[in-house]
Amino acid sequence: DAGVTQSPTHLIKTRGQQVTLRCSPKSGHDTVSWYQQALGQGPQFIFQYYEEEERQRGNFPDRFSGHQFPNYSSELNVNALLLGDSALYLCASSLGTGGSGYFGPGTRLTVT
Amino acid sequence: QKEVEQDPGPLSVPEGAIVSLNCTYSNSAFQYFMWYRQYSRKGPELLMYTYSSGNKEDGRFTAQVDKSSKYISLFIRDSQPSDSATYLCAFYNTNAGKSTFGDGTTLTVKP
Repeated sequence: DAGVTQSPTHLIKTRGQQVTLRCSPKSGHDTVSWYQQALGQGPQFIFQYYEEEERQRGNFPDRFSGHQFPNYSSELNVNALLLGDSALYLCASSLGTGGSGYFGPGTRLTVT
Repeated sequence: QKEVEQDPGPLSVPEGAIVSLNCTYSNSAFQYFMWYRQYSRKGPELLMYTYSSGNKEDGRFTAQVDKSSKYISLFIRDSQPSDSATYLCAFYNTNAGKSTFGDGTTLTVKP
């Protein structure tokens, strides 16, 4: 049983560019949450997707957007990248909207 | 003031020691209390969760919650070098639909 998978593992982008990160939830899970983890800090909640809709959102600008597909997989898009967007982006899946759920290994994004 | 404050560490202990990791919180709406372990360059792994005050034990790990003091702890008995990782406390608010994490305590267990 595959757990949460994320792609790519690492990514290097330039300021101003756009990036798309992908997440496949654990088998049987229908909810995906995205978190940003800066170095030396805990994960910060970005948003949660359930039934293909954004259900909850953290304190992140509109440059951060997402999507959930009918198979429950999800994408995180970040536009107009800033140096401060450099972080580990984590996806967590759960059954229903309760709890943090299971985390994937993350995508490490570096913005230069 | 941050909603969650976690003892920053780092913490270095000899193998076999008892480890105590601690967090305080200010948001009374938090309903679930969790501890995650995160190895370097990996995603967090859920260790334990509880929703009530008191102790919950799982092998060498004990999670303690004191809602009146808004304080949670994780105790690790007979610590092993494989326990070396960053430990994150987390709190889930069902109404807000999100978890709030501490900044983590890095633990090193020396053989």
